[in-house]
Amino acid sequence: AQSVTQLDSHVSVSEGTPVLLRCNYSSSYSPSLFWYVQHPNKGLQLLLKYTSAATLVKGINGFEAEFKKSETSFHLTKPSAHMSDAAEYFCVGGLTGGGNKLTFGTGTQLKVEL
Amino acid sequence: GAVVSQHPSWVICKSGTSVKIECRSLDFQATTMFWYRQFPKQSLMLMATSNEGSKATYEQGVEKDKFLINHASLTLSTLTVTSAHPEDSSFYICSAIGSGRVRSYNEQFFGPGTRLTVL
Repeated sequence: AQSVTQLDSHVSVSEGTPVLLRCNYSSSYSPSLFWYVQHPNKGLQLLLKYTSAATLVKGINGFEAEFKKSETSFHLTKPSAHMSDAAEYFCVGGLTGGGNKLTFGTGTQLKVEL
Repeated sequence: GAVVSQHPSWVICKSGTSVKIECRSLDFQATTMFWYRQFPKQSLMLMATSNEGSKATYEQGVEKDKFLINHASLTLSTLTVTSAHPEDSSFYICSAIGSGRVRSYNEQFFGPGTRLTVL
């Protein structure tokens, strides 16, 4: 079955320390994978996307993610957290080959403390 | 480029009334639009997929007579919540897939969402 799993519902880091948000996927096809951020009462903003080109993807605001096929993972990282990074993060997959539907992870709430 | 807008951004209505939410692709033609629902502190749930000029395809468990979707043009889709009840209160988000150069690997462009509160 096609699925996206976000392993942590909540992550808390101190400002200036690294961020790691974990995501695993399951798909019979070569996936396209995305990370979106959502601030309270706002829509989704695309951070980065993997579309079968480079496995290390750089996104906006210093975020990056590495596609690891052997581990079926697409973890999101940032070297140094900022207070403004506090938000909900969704790992999303286009897992059905030529289909258009996206599969959403359950989200990870990132908290950044002083 | 690839901007999607929603109107209104928030709406409060009385139980039993109908509410229409608009989703527009501002700078591209959207061959397919999606409607999602998001409850507090939860992920997005796909409600339906609409293609321009054809009937929407609803996900299992979504009442098509309650959530009317119209995709009359390549830049506009509307979601009408008919006879709204308090349990319909939610955050509704639309997204669009572009055509031509805007289309890329299943990427959907999301609107800012509409907060519906039914009293």
